[in-house]
Amino acid sequence: GIQVEQSPPDLILQEGANSTLRCNFSDSVNNLQWFHQNPWGQLINLFYIPSGTKQNGRLSATTVATERYSLLYISSSQTTDSGVYFCAVVLQTGANNLFFGTGTRLTVIP
Amino acid sequence: ETGVTQSPTHLIKTRGQQVTLRCSSQSGHNTVSWYQQALGQGPQFIFQYYREEENGRGNFPPRFSGLQFPNYSSELNVNALELDDSALYLCASSLEGLAGVGETQYFGPGTRLLVL
Repeated sequence: GIQVEQSPPDLILQEGANSTLRCNFSDSVNNLQWFHQNPWGQLINLFYIPSGTKQNGRLSATTVATERYSLLYISSSQTTDSGVYFCAVVLQTGANNLFFGTGTRLTVIP
Repeated sequence: ETGVTQSPTHLIKTRGQQVTLRCSSQSGHNTVSWYQQALGQGPQFIFQYYREEENGRGNFPPRFSGLQFPNYSSELNVNALELDDSALYLCASSLEGLAGVGETQYFGPGTRLLVL
């Protein structure tokens, strides 16, 4: 089956620092989404980005589908950015379900 | 706020019992997917319903079953509960077309199930 690996698994940042989270996937995909899961478990949509680059405020994401990876950039991090970040993909074949990565746990300290 | 709601928010059951979880999809969405998230792991796909028909299933036993109603809301039923069924259950809604290329999925807040 498909492998979706994220790195680093854990990240601790000082408030104001920048970071890059990586997602590697092993098969061709139709869809890639980035989520932030808050401490209460809510998965918050960050980006729908099967290819290309998108920006939303302090966050931006780039997916290079041909090389099977995606990057999430967080600039000027804030304590509210803490939580677990997941990337999730939909395969080009089969059902339209999301396969989630292993997650990156981000802790931003003041 | 995604417009996807789930009930109940928390639930405690004992081993062997049955449980029904509910999900209301975002307005205009025709597809509901259910996921199980064990502690410390990423969500795992259980099944998906598209226009009231099952449209894919993950590696879960038949005691996990579901239903989608004409208004596109959905239920997840789990029979003969086991301790390992303790998890956060998430539903996601999306608007899927016939091409089925996979549109953005929006998640509800989840139901935390504890099986004792």
